[in-house]
Amino acid sequence: DIVLTQSPDSLAVSLGERATISCKSSQSVLYGYNNNNYLTWYQQKVGQPPRVLIYWASTRESGVPDRFSGSGSGTDFTLSIDNVQAEDVALYYCQQYYTNPTFGQGTRLEIK
Amino acid sequence: QVHLVQSGTEVKKPGASVRLSCKTSGYTFSSYGITWVRQAPGQGLEWMGWIAGYNGKTNLAQKFQGKIRMTIDTSTSTALLELASLRSDDTALYFCARDVVGLSGQSWFDIWGQGTLVIVSS
Repeated sequence: DIVLTQSPDSLAVSLGERATISCKSSQSVLYGYNNNNYLTWYQQKVGQPPRVLIYWASTRESGVPDRFSGSGSGTDFTLSIDNVQAEDVALYYCQQYYTNPTFGQGTRLEIK
Repeated sequence: QVHLVQSGTEVKKPGASVRLSCKTSGYTFSSYGITWVRQAPGQGLEWMGWIAGYNGKTNLAQKFQGKIRMTIDTSTSTALLELASLRSDDTALYFCARDVVGLSGQSWFDIWGQGTLVIVSS
């Protein structure tokens, strides 16, 4: 199985600041045939199911604020949240779908 | 609007079985697969397996083979998950989610059910 390791496990940022979450994969999730990275990001708020934010590593899901952006390729990926709002407090997970899906362990975002 | 509505909380004794349902609406059931993901208390997300909405073909995570059974009822656009020989470490929130790409579960999941809590306790 592909192992995804997120860092940090938790972070606290001030309102209006930028949050950056890393996701490193144990093997490349870039499919050379179509040059797509098979990686997605979810947000999970307390008591709710996950919500997809980003797929193909950098494509924002419809309805997701443009404060959220994804980047990276191969084995190293980043979720960035600009101008962090109180409503962004949540757990964030990366997930690969290059093989049978696996998830990172999650990163908790709090407000400082 | 697309909805996945899951069955209610289950409390079971060790060794028992349980069947969870995920009723879908707002889209053509046969055009998408359904994935099941579980989340133990305070833990992360774990993919359990996938079932195709058009023919019931499954792809189960190796860890759960022999432990779970996934089926569909196309007449009600419902996906079902059966877990056997329950243990205390099966206590978790079980989510169903719609698979976007539709190829054996290797996809992201765009619509999620609210989750079903399964508690296994003697």
